[in-house]
Amino acid sequence: DSGVTQTPKHLITATGQRVTLRCSPRSGDLSVYWYQQSLDQGLQFLIQYYNGEERAKGNILERFSAQQFPDLHSELNLSSLELGDSALYFCASSVRGGGAGNEQFFGPGTRLTVL
Amino acid sequence: KNQVEQSPQSLIILEGKNCTLQCNYTVSPFSNLRWYKQDTGRGPVSLTIMTFSENTKSNGRYTATLDADTKQSSLHITASQLSDSASYICVVQPFSGGYNKLIFGAGTRLAVHP
Repeated sequence: DSGVTQTPKHLITATGQRVTLRCSPRSGDLSVYWYQQSLDQGLQFLIQYYNGEERAKGNILERFSAQQFPDLHSELNLSSLELGDSALYFCASSVRGGGAGNEQFFGPGTRLTVL
Repeated sequence: KNQVEQSPQSLIILEGKNCTLQCNYTVSPFSNLRWYKQDTGRGPVSLTIMTFSENTKSNGRYTATLDADTKQSSLHITASQLSDSASYICVVQPFSGGYNKLIFGAGTRLAVHP
């Protein structure tokens, strides 16, 4: 158990809908990262927040947005969902915002299925 | 374009045997290279982290090596166990001024059979 929690574990929805994924980082970690892993694909970095502020942005679609709240939990909002958005979404957390060897701890993931 | 390529794509071995997984990368300069283990449907778990100046790092039965000159890394698993069945992912962190974007390989799927 990494100490990172994600809810819900599974989510099934229809195209065009909007969903919110939630992540609570490990106690003491200030950074939260979101990743997408499509079937048989590598993890794709979406976005990073550090202490409430966006720190880095990866391949995140405009239909997706995220935020980190004062209690450091984070939410990833996915809107106008398409079939291709079906994937595992992972959250990770780390103590620092960057730097060499800054280890990330991954949550168990949310499996999103868009029908 | 920064890339991380892993081989083989999948591998089947018998319990108790050793195996070696390969990772070639073009990321340059880079800060560190990591190996993660990902069980099916679970989040990745870190096995080793090596900076560009290290050439080997061990974690129990897992030993990672790094050749920064040839931009190659390998993960050697000794005396495999059924619980080693998982995907093994090579990850490179670019030297990018403090940001923490990691570049992930597609992984090698290892199956250990009794």
